[in-house]
Order: sequence, then C-alpha cells, then structure tokens
Amino acid sequence: AQSVTQPDIHITVSEGASLELRCNYSYGATPYLFWYVQSPGQGLQLLLKYFSGDTLVQGIKGFEAEFKRSQSSFNLRKPSVHWSDAAEYFCAATNNAGNMLTFGGGTRLMVKP
Amino acid sequence: NAGVTQTPKFQVLKTGQSMTLQCAQDMNHEYMSWYRQDPGMGLRLIHYSVGAGITDQGEVPNGYNVSRSTTEDFPLRLLSAAPSQTSVYFCASSLGQGALNEQYFGPGTRLTVT
Repeated sequence: AQSVTQPDIHITVSEGASLELRCNYSYGATPYLFWYVQSPGQGLQLLLKYFSGDTLVQGIKGFEAEFKRSQSSFNLRKPSVHWSDAAEYFCAATNNAGNMLTFGGGTRLMVKP
Repeated sequence: NAGVTQTPKFQVLKTGQSMTLQCAQDMNHEYMSWYRQDPGMGLRLIHYSVGAGITDQGEVPNGYNVSRSTTEDFPLRLLSAAPSQTSVYFCASSLGQGALNEQYFGPGTRLTVT
C-alpha cells in the first residue's frame, strides 16, 4: 500500500539552529512529493514540491528539500530557524495524474527563543 | 480574491444530527476536494470533484455526501453525525486535476460530535 511516514511527531529546536524534518515514502514508482506547512488555526500552505530533475528543490520561506531515491526519502531542511517557523509540517505524495494526495502524520515544530 | 473560504469555523453537533459544511472558492478552479484531519494521521481525502456536476469518492467517504452544482461551491453533508466524525475538515481547490496543479486550502472547520 502507498504510504508516507514522518517519523518525528514533535521536534523542538532553538531559534537560529538548523532544522531537518524527515519524510519517507512507500510507492511502487517515484511519486510526486510535497511539503506543506500549517500554522495554528490556518489551512495548509505549499512550501515546495518535487516532480523530477534536480533532487534538491528550493521552496518558500527559506526551506529546501532533498529527494533521495535510494532511501525513499524527501527530507525538509532550513539552515536557520525563525520563531515564526513554529507550525505543523506535512509531507505528501501522489503517483498518478490525479490530486489524491497521501499525507504523512505531520511533525509539529516548536522553536525555543 | 478571497481564495478558499469555509463556514462555519467551529461546530458542535449531537449524535444523529445533520449539517452541511460550506466551501466556496473564487478562483474559477475546476477541482475541489474535502479532507479530514485527525491527530497523527495527516489529512485523508473524503470526496472530490473535477468539475460542476461530477463528484467521486476518496479514501474515507462513508458518512459523507457531496454535490457540485456550481464551479464555486462544494458543500459537504453529514446526514447523521457520529462521534467518529469529530475532526477538522479542510476544503481545497486547484485549477485542474493532476499533481502539477497546486492545491489551495481553506482555513478549516473544527467539528465536534458528542
């Protein structure tokens, strides 16, 4: 069965520290991959996406993600976290022409001052 | 543009009651969908529509009905609410079907069924 796994439910980092959020997928073929951010009380906002080509993709708000086929991973990174980055982050995937996204369970990021 | 709007923001229902969650978009998007969000499970697709008059089931459709009479509106109906339907519901829309079309999400409706 197709699935997306985010191993870390909660992560706490200090402001200014680097961040890496993990995402693993299980699909028959390489899926299209996405990272979304959800601020408290808000809907989801797309941070970045990977379809093909360069395995390092840049997104909004200074985020980037690296696709690693050998590890079935699509980890999200940011070199220096800001307090405003505190939110919940979702990795998602789809492998067809439709929009039926499969979401991971989410990682809640807390930022210490 | 207002984007994707959802009403109400919060709702409490008793078991067996019915209600409709409203979703509207003003971006002339053909594709619309409903998700539910439960802790630790991410978002799961309930129903979707690829255009006015066309709807289809997603991953967790049981207990929910939808219709799409206009391009703008995509209401979600709970005919007989159950505690298992306590969740946060998100509506999303995109220009067309396909992963290349970015989905825009509404702010959500938090539903509690007692």
